[in-house]
Amino acid sequence: SQQGEEDPQALSIQEGENATMNCSYKTSINNLQWYRQNSGRGLVHLILIRSNEREKHSGRLRVTLDTSKKSSSLLITASRAADTASYFCATAGGSARQLTFGSGTQLTVLP
Amino acid sequence: DGGITQSPKYLFRKEGQNVTLSCEQNLNHDAMYWYRQDPGQGLRLIYYSQIVNDFQKGDIAEGYSVSREKKESFPLTVTSAQKNPTAFYLCASSPDRVEKLFFGSGTQLSVL
Repeated sequence: SQQGEEDPQALSIQEGENATMNCSYKTSINNLQWYRQNSGRGLVHLILIRSNEREKHSGRLRVTLDTSKKSSSLLITASRAADTASYFCATAGGSARQLTFGSGTQLTVLP
Repeated sequence: DGGITQSPKYLFRKEGQNVTLSCEQNLNHDAMYWYRQDPGQGLRLIYYSQIVNDFQKGDIAEGYSVSREKKESFPLTVTSAQKNPTAFYLCASSPDRVEKLFFGSGTQLSVL
């Protein structure tokens, strides 16, 4: 079964707006990661947040983690048409030996 | 260039046939993974290997087999026992602990 569930399943916004995606998971984690996938391509790692961290930034990306609610959010600020892709959260358990992926959010940024 | 190479990009399987998907990496990573992705879905783990000559089943290993004879290579065989093999298959690698996966560009497998 999949650990993470993303919300919303699909999101459509205008260029320049912010995009927020949410991820919920079920069991305790070592870290949580976000990946991006362009259509028909492999995934690309965006950012990792550890279980003892609450917020992390990387460029236009901001990730938060609330372990008490077992949830995370990914914020993309000032979105661009090139940000159009699917975004997946993935969790690593205590041993951090494998990742379990969520179902993804399809983001469309309209020019 | 360092990275992960998957081949072929497209593969067709006939009824009752076994097919093998190739995955090679030159990142010197210990761990390698195979994931299956169905349309509009997330990734599901088929098999993973943390060291040469050792591998473990993931969530959906039935109908698949792997080998890890070399650090650089982790081929996946889709056997005739896999009744619904049509999917996008992704190979990935990482250093010992899963802090960042590096993915290949995928193989689309379809049934004739």
